Amino acid sequence: AQRVTQPEKLLSVFKGAPVELKCNYSYSGSPELFWYVQYSRQRLQLLLRHISRESIKGFTADLNKGETSFHLKKPFAQEEDSAMYYCALKHSGYALNFGKGTSLLVTP
Amino acid sequence: GAGVSQSPSNKVTEKGKDVELRCDPISGHTALYWYRQSLGQGLEFLIYFQGNSAPDKSGLPSDRFSAERTGGSVSTLTIQRTQQEDSAVYLCASSPGTGAFYEQYFGPGTRLTVT
Repeated sequence: AQRVTQPEKLLSVFKGAPVELKCNYSYSGSPELFWYVQYSRQRLQLLLRHISRESIKGFTADLNKGETSFHLKKPFAQEEDSAMYYCALKHSGYALNFGKGTSLLVTP
Repeated sequence: GAGVSQSPSNKVTEKGKDVELRCDPISGHTALYWYRQSLGQGLEFLIYFQGNSAPDKSGLPSDRFSAERTGGSVSTLTIQRTQQEDSAVYLCASSPGTGAFYEQYFGPGTRLTVT
């Protein structure tokens, strides 16, 4: 069965510090993985997807099939990065299976 | 352009009543999804519509839940005989297609409270 695990419910870092939000998955096929973000009082939106190998707002995520991980990283956190972050695995070609989310708080 | 819209934004209902939640997807998007966001359970997939194909209802938690999509556009999620455990934020999303490059665009959600 496919499963997405985000071990940290809350992550607090200082502004300018590196940040890593962990995501591990279990899936028998080739995974399609995404990071979604929800800022305060805003709707859920796509941050990045592994297939694009892109950097968005300074965030990157590398798919590690050996470790079945898709951790989200940013070298220097900013206060505006404070939000809820969800790792998601697309299964059956369309439905997203989300982790329970990590609340990131960046303090000055 | 306009994003995904949902109505109502908030709904308070008594246990045992039926509720209908509405989703207006982005125009031209063929795929439509319903998810539920609840404390402790996170975000759960409920149902998926793609064009005129039969919907994937595999995520619906019980037969009290049903959904339809009329004319390939607007969708309604109906919960019959609501229970307190149905209290959650119900999110609708739409996408132009279903491949890996197609982003799902989410609506603001309907917060359902069952008293």
